[in-house]
Amino acid sequence: SQQGEEDPQALSIQEGENATMNCSYKTSINNLQWYRQNSGRGLVHLILIRSNEREKHSGRLRVTLDTSKKSSSLLITASRAADTASYFCANQAGTALIFGKGTTLSVSS
Amino acid sequence: DVKVTQSSRYLVKRTGEKVFLECVQDMDHENMFWYRQDPGLGLRLIYFSYDVKMKEKGDIPEGYSVSREKKERFSLILESASTNQTSMYLCASGNQGWETQYFGPGTRLLVL
Repeated sequence: SQQGEEDPQALSIQEGENATMNCSYKTSINNLQWYRQNSGRGLVHLILIRSNEREKHSGRLRVTLDTSKKSSSLLITASRAADTASYFCANQAGTALIFGKGTTLSVSS
Repeated sequence: DVKVTQSSRYLVKRTGEKVFLECVQDMDHENMFWYRQDPGLGLRLIYFSYDVKMKEKGDIPEGYSVSREKKERFSLILESASTNQTSMYLCASGNQGWETQYFGPGTRLLVL
């Protein structure tokens, strides 16, 4: 399967802590995106990192990409209760995106 | 802001019924997608369309068909609904270049 694997599947932290989630693929990584999904809702795009980039920042988000290991990580710094959601990576594969299975993040105050 | 709307948030159908899920986007995007989302399996691509009347199978097209008669509208059809098609269905659209996809709120379908 080309589907991405995310690790951990679930993560519980306290407000103010950092949250790190990882994503890996068996196929090569092209342009990789991260999305967020609040419970029962659609996905919202967070950030895109291109295959020739190694690190990208957006506000409290930091994404890294290691194409040799076919993996990416998403770091959320100084987490807030409002960050509670599921997070998905998505790898560009030809003319479509192949999503990972997601990490469910719970941030308690 | 890009808006992707789906015809229903919740839907209950009986086994064997024909089911239509509608998706409309207002940003003149070329590409539209249908995914299903199941616990522990993430999002899986059912079908996508890169132009009017054009369609491509995704990873799990069996039991589904699609229609794109107008650029802004992409329909997912369950010809004969089965209980294993109970799921959350998400529609998305995007520009060429396969960059950001914009998602609708989802339709939670229950097939009894």
